[in-house]
Amino acid sequence: GNSVTQMEGPVTLSEEAFLTINCTYTATGYPSLFWYVQYPGEGLQLLLKATKADDKGSNKGFEATYRKETTSFHLEKGSVQVSDSAVYFCALMWGGSQGNLIFGKGTKLSVKP
Amino acid sequence: SAVISQKPSRDICQRGTSLTIQCQVDSQVTMMFWYRQQPGQSLTLIATANQGSEATYESGFVIDKFPISRPNLTFSTLTVSNMSPEDSSIYLCSVELGVRGNEQYFGPGTRLTVT
Repeated sequence: GNSVTQMEGPVTLSEEAFLTINCTYTATGYPSLFWYVQYPGEGLQLLLKATKADDKGSNKGFEATYRKETTSFHLEKGSVQVSDSAVYFCALMWGGSQGNLIFGKGTKLSVKP
Repeated sequence: SAVISQKPSRDICQRGTSLTIQCQVDSQVTMMFWYRQQPGQSLTLIATANQGSEATYESGFVIDKFPISRPNLTFSTLTVSNMSPEDSSIYLCSVELGVRGNEQYFGPGTRLTVT
């Protein structure tokens, strides 16, 4: 079946460090891939997405590239800020508009000043 | 995007009681979803609610426990019935948008604690 695997957290970084959060997926067909972010005490926000192979999603300095050959969608940011501290969820959507989201378990990121 | 609100934002309830959670969207949407996020866990889809039809429940969730209403294109409710401490979770509604209908936007969630 379809599934998403994220790297275990928590991840603790110093401000301005480089961030990578690994995400791999298993899916039949061609899913769309997403990263969501959940700031403390808030709901999920869509951070970025990619809908086909080799697409790069980007937003707020974060980016992720849809790699079909490695079934991966790793999240990266060149220089993290304290305000990036949150839980990050990788997700896939299959079945087009009739499908639903399958989430990874989330990775908690803490950025220290 | 869409602006989605939920009421209540949080509640503490006694076991055996029921709580109805409201979800309001600022635009008309066909598909709405209800998710549960148990403490420290990821999100699990409870059901899909389309206006004008019965909600479709995922495996492990039943209508008697989680009845859903979808009276119009901007509103839905989820009731958590006969609550037990295991129902303590964050409940989130979401809507599907995007040109290809493949983006989901989430409400802020309702944090439920059952004592």
